[in-house]
Amino acid sequence: AQSVTQLGSHVSVSEGALVLLRCNYSSSVPPYLFWYVQYPNQGLQLLLKYTTGATLVKGINGFEAEFKKSETSFHLTKPSAHMSDAAEYFCAVLTQGGSEKLVFGKGMKLTVNP
Amino acid sequence: NAGVTQTPKFRILKIGQSMTLQCTQDMNHNYMYWYRQDPGMGLKLIYYSVGAGITDKGEVPNGYNVSRSTTEDFPLRLELAAPSQTSVYFCASSPAAGTSGRGRSNEQFFGPGTRLTVL
Repeated sequence: AQSVTQLGSHVSVSEGALVLLRCNYSSSVPPYLFWYVQYPNQGLQLLLKYTTGATLVKGINGFEAEFKKSETSFHLTKPSAHMSDAAEYFCAVLTQGGSEKLVFGKGMKLTVNP
Repeated sequence: NAGVTQTPKFRILKIGQSMTLQCTQDMNHNYMYWYRQDPGMGLKLIYYSVGAGITDKGEVPNGYNVSRSTTEDFPLRLELAAPSQTSVYFCASSPAAGTSGRGRSNEQFFGPGTRLTVL
């Protein structure tokens, strides 16, 4: 069965600093991986996804993630944090079979300090 | 194109009461899902549906029921509300799997959520 691990629950960075949110997955088959963002009191919004092809995936708002099969990782990065990036971020993996279910990590709350 | 809509936005229930959380999507998506979100726990799948008339249990189905009579609507029913059902509930939808077997998009589109408190 697929699973996702996001270690820790909260990360704090200064405005302009690098953002790095870690995600490790477990899957017996080539995974489909996703990062979603949740702004306060809102639903989840897709940031980016990896299905096949290029392992470096670019998403919205300057975020990108790199699929590393050897490390079973899909870490999310952004070179320079902005105050508007403050939100909760979820990594997810698509399960097998025809139901297209997602398994989510526990989430990481990002705080950006001025 | 409104996407995925959910009603109500907020609700307070007393223990033992029942209610239905409404979810509607206008994207003609075959797949629909109900999740609950609890602090520090991520999202847990309650029920899902791969098309009208077809539903199945997710990870945490106890205390809930669903139906899918149309492509657009996927209501979630709480029959006997309990404090453990205090949570934020999200509905989502996604396109059906394509001929490749892994879906044309795989992206799930989420509604704004319903915040439910059971006292």
